[in-house]
Amino acid sequence: QVQLQESGPGLVKPSETLSLTCTVSGASISSFYWSWIRQSPGKGPEWIGYIYYSGRTNYNPSLRSRVTMSVDSSENQFSLRLSSVTAADTAVYHCARVEPNTAWYFDYWGRGTLVTVSS
Amino acid sequence: EIVLTQSPGTLSLSPGERATLSCRASQSVSSSYLVWYQQKPGQAPRLLIYGASSRATGIADRFSGSGSGTDFTLTISRLEPEDFAVYYCQQYGSSPMYTFGQGTRLEIK
Repeated sequence: QVQLQESGPGLVKPSETLSLTCTVSGASISSFYWSWIRQSPGKGPEWIGYIYYSGRTNYNPSLRSRVTMSVDSSENQFSLRLSSVTAADTAVYHCARVEPNTAWYFDYWGRGTLVTVSS
Repeated sequence: EIVLTQSPGTLSLSPGERATLSCRASQSVSSSYLVWYQQKPGQAPRLLIYGASSRATGIADRFSGSGSGTDFTLTISRLEPEDFAVYYCQQYGSSPMYTFGQGTRLEIK
């Protein structure tokens, strides 16, 4: 059974950088595409981007200038960095696996971690 | 960008009743690219339906999906207590690659 667990600070100051890590168990990170998705209060999910173990990335154009994703294969983890955060970046951040056969949706998700942007 | 609009925002029904949830796209979407998720408070979203009408592994047959083009529907034939949750549709497209609807909250009447 594939499991994903997000970790990182729950509070980030405005203008600083949000950093989260997703630890994967039950699957090798080197075999799939991995995504970050966030849910702002009262809104539907928003796809942030995905990364392949090789380092290939694809980011949502609305966030591309501020997003960096990376993979640590030795730890079976991948990470998200979002720079210059504002209150609008307050959300529950989920990591997820991109379904491997088609890449058209997400078949496993983490429960998410709430990140609040506030001074 | 393809925008998905779900309706109603909230649906109040009783166990045993039939639920019909709508997802409308701003442009035509291939049926292959349309999926539905269920999310309960504090839990990860769970894949219910892929390819607009195929149930994911382990999903009860009271859940069904249908539709094509710009109009898609998730139907729950007879509501069980555990079905009360928030439901999202999602499509795969070009840019951004994945977009979601804003969700329908299914609550107990």
